[in-house]
Amino acid sequence: DARVTQTPRHKVTEMGQEVTMRCQPILGHNTVFWYRQTMMQGLELLAYFRNRAPLDDSGMPKDRFSAEMPDATLATLKIQPSEPRDSAVYFCASGLGIDRGNGNQPQHFGDGTRLSIL
Amino acid sequence: KNEVEQSPQNLTAQEGEFITINCSYSVGISALHWLQQHPGGGIVSLFMLSSGKKKHGRLIATINIQEKHSSLHITASHPRDSAVYICAAQGGSEKLVFGKGTKLTVNP
Repeated sequence: DARVTQTPRHKVTEMGQEVTMRCQPILGHNTVFWYRQTMMQGLELLAYFRNRAPLDDSGMPKDRFSAEMPDATLATLKIQPSEPRDSAVYFCASGLGIDRGNGNQPQHFGDGTRLSIL
Repeated sequence: KNEVEQSPQNLTAQEGEFITINCSYSVGISALHWLQQHPGGGIVSLFMLSSGKKKHGRLIATINIQEKHSSLHITASHPRDSAVYICAAQGGSEKLVFGKGTKLTVNP
């Protein structure tokens, strides 16, 4: 089965360091989502892309977070500088966009990156 | 108030019991998603529905659009069903608004 691949699975670093999380979406999927999960807030959408272009990043703190898709096989989420409150599990998901006339489509999730900022 | 509310927050059952998890939402939706998060953390999409009922094996999802309510049922529950079940409302775009999840524990 095709899978969304996220790296690293775990990351522990000190406050102030740059963190880069990577995601390889399922081949052929044109929509990529970044989510953050915390105990307090649950799952929240940070940003999502269609055909590598950002469609919505309103859930992302702009001063320290950035998301990009350098190519169709790679999405990145960066935090610089990192803070303890960024500690969470970050999920990437991919799917077929509704603008292809497919109607609503399920999202396929990666296993997440568990981030701890000390 | 969260736009998507789930109940119960925690649920403990004995193997073989019939399970129901409820989800209420306050926004208009184009689809309602049910997700399963395993103890190891991975998330799997179980159902996506906009009307009526869907069934996969022992899992059944129903939705009542007029009442803005969906339920996930598990028949003949098994310890391997132990997980967190999350519902998510999808509006006009692909953006999902998530409930806080229901932690299900099925004891042998």
